[in-house]
Amino acid sequence: DGGITQSPKYLFRKEGQNVTLSCEQNLNHDAMYWYRQDPGQGLRLIYYSQIVNDFQKGDIAEGYSVSREKKESFPLTVTSAQKNPTAFYLCASNRVASGNQPQHFGDGTRLSIL
Amino acid sequence: AQSVTQLDSQVPVFEEAPVELRCNYSSSVSVYLFWYVQYPNQGLQLLLKYLSGSTLVESINGFEAEFNKSQTSFHLRKPSVHISDTAEYFCAVSDSGGANNLFFGTGTRLTVIP
Repeated sequence: DGGITQSPKYLFRKEGQNVTLSCEQNLNHDAMYWYRQDPGQGLRLIYYSQIVNDFQKGDIAEGYSVSREKKESFPLTVTSAQKNPTAFYLCASNRVASGNQPQHFGDGTRLSIL
Repeated sequence: AQSVTQLDSQVPVFEEAPVELRCNYSSSVSVYLFWYVQYPNQGLQLLLKYLSGSTLVESINGFEAEFNKSQTSFHLRKPSVHISDTAEYFCAVSDSGGANNLFFGTGTRLTVIP
């Protein structure tokens, strides 16, 4: 079955540590996205990528970094500069980055501070 | 930029009763509208979408939503809810303006009471 796989499901970060969240899709989608979900705030866009080797900042990119070396993969690194990283992180993709293309979501990674 | 308002953060309803989850968006320009459902500790699943054509759209599990351009609304309804409908529901809006233009509401938690 085609879909989006996020790993790990739960992740803990120590002070001053960078952590990387994995996102892999086998849907052959060009566009991929990272969202942060906090209770009562809906989803906020961190980064998105329309094509391999290209990515753009979203609304809350500070303290995060991404790469897009392969079409299937869009890892997110939460750096030590992100002072409030505790949240549920969702990866999504769509066939092309267009408003009429629904986004498909992975099952998320929950990040907590130790 | 678009904004999406889901007025009800929580909606409790008895099993087999009807339910309406409200969604209003800010702009009257051409938009694409989506409802997503999220079960605990999972990602978002597309429930239904309005791209063009008939203003009434239906999902396979009995939900429907009606696009009302004059009222800039896209309310979600179900005539008879089941326990399994307990989840969080997100309304989302995009337009043709670019890749990072999917805007989410803050979600409505539907709780079905036996």
